[in-house]
Amino acid sequence: QKEVEQNSGPLSVPEGAIASLNCTYSDRGSQSFFWYRQYSGKSPELIMFIYSNGDKEDGRFTAQLNKASQYVSLLIRDSQPSDSATYLCAVNPGGTSYGKLTFGQGTILTVHP
Amino acid sequence: ETGVTQTPRHLVMGMTNKKSLKCEQHLGHNAMYWYKQSAKKPLELMFVYSLEERVENNSVPSRFSPECPNSSHLFLHLHTLQPEDSALYLCASSHLGSGRLSYNEQFFGPGTRLTVL
Repeated sequence: QKEVEQNSGPLSVPEGAIASLNCTYSDRGSQSFFWYRQYSGKSPELIMFIYSNGDKEDGRFTAQLNKASQYVSLLIRDSQPSDSATYLCAVNPGGTSYGKLTFGQGTILTVHP
Repeated sequence: ETGVTQTPRHLVMGMTNKKSLKCEQHLGHNAMYWYKQSAKKPLELMFVYSLEERVENNSVPSRFSPECPNSSHLFLHLHTLQPEDSALYLCASSHLGSGRLSYNEQFFGPGTRLTVL
């Protein structure tokens, strides 16, 4: 079983729609969770992190965490063509892991006009 | 300079060459990381330095040799690489807290695109 699992996509949504990206993780003791956006040929850019169960909103982005189900998601409202990118989910086990993040393979999102 | 910088941005080397990748962070962080990103594979953590001490070596071959002279600079020395080592090498930094929960938000540099011939 992969430690962090994402649907690789591609996920295609029309402009203005809500894009929903999902991620599951295997380490029940994981403490913080991150979403990165990576444009083709560029490095990952941190867009959200969450550590408590529930929702966290930042502009058009909402991260949702359910530790009981070991599930974290990212919603993008009013999707724009500029949101087209690969979205990486990352998990921090915390404790004495010295900052080790485990990444999923990423979901390719395409927003079409 | 702001954020995390990496040089060179592109590197082509032969299998017998020796080269070094450089990373510098301007964020006041106390931890730095090297990652490898190959096509169709998740980001792979290679090394972690916390307060200039290497605390993680993720089973990386000895042809990759990291160096962290201070909390702002990180190097990756390369020698006798193989073609399968061709990838995007990413440096990142974060602040690891002590005595409290650290969320460990990591910020990445632009990467070095390495091609081994």
